[in-house]
Amino acid sequence: GIQVEQSPPDLILQEGANSTLRCNFSDSVNNLQWFHQNPWGQLINLFYIPSGTKQNGRLSATTVATERYSLLYISSSQTTDSGVYFCAVAPESTLTFGKGTMLLVSP
Amino acid sequence: NAGVTQTPKFRILKIGQSMTLQCTQDMNHNYMYWYRQDPGMGLKLIYYSVGAGITDKGEVPNGYNVSRSTTEDFPLRLELAAPSQTSVYFCASSNRQANTEAFFGQGTRLTVV
Repeated sequence: GIQVEQSPPDLILQEGANSTLRCNFSDSVNNLQWFHQNPWGQLINLFYIPSGTKQNGRLSATTVATERYSLLYISSSQTTDSGVYFCAVAPESTLTFGKGTMLLVSP
Repeated sequence: NAGVTQTPKFRILKIGQSMTLQCTQDMNHNYMYWYRQDPGMGLKLIYYSVGAGITDKGEVPNGYNVSRSTTEDFPLRLELAAPSQTSVYFCASSNRQANTEAFFGQGTRLTVV
């Protein structure tokens, strides 16, 4: 099956810093999503982005499908950004998840 | 609009007991999924359904059963609970025809002792 690798596995930031999270995948995909899992375990949809660039407030994402990677940018990080960020991809109909990037933003 | 609703939120089972995790969605999505998440790991697909009456195995189906009698509901059945099934279970849905973005429920935290 398709392989999904996320980097870095862990990240510690001071509030206000910027960061870039990366997702590499091993095959062509029809779907790519970024999720934030908050400290209460809830999965929150951030972006549905099989290709191109999207922005939502302080967050933006870019997927280069031909090179099989996606990037999630977090600017001016806040403590509420803490949690685990997952990339998930689907060659066809079911999502395969990476192991996530655990982000801790300290005040 | 409630989205994807899972019940219960928490459950403790004894080894060998059985239970059903309930999942319902009100978005008229035809695809539904069950995932499990073990500590420090990503989600792994247990079963999925492309529509009422159709189900298929995912990556980790052993020890589970599903059924899909309606578009809205996709219950997950554990017949003989084992400690290895201690996990957080997530249900999700998506609409393949219009928009493949998947939406997840809030999860069920299951402990088997």
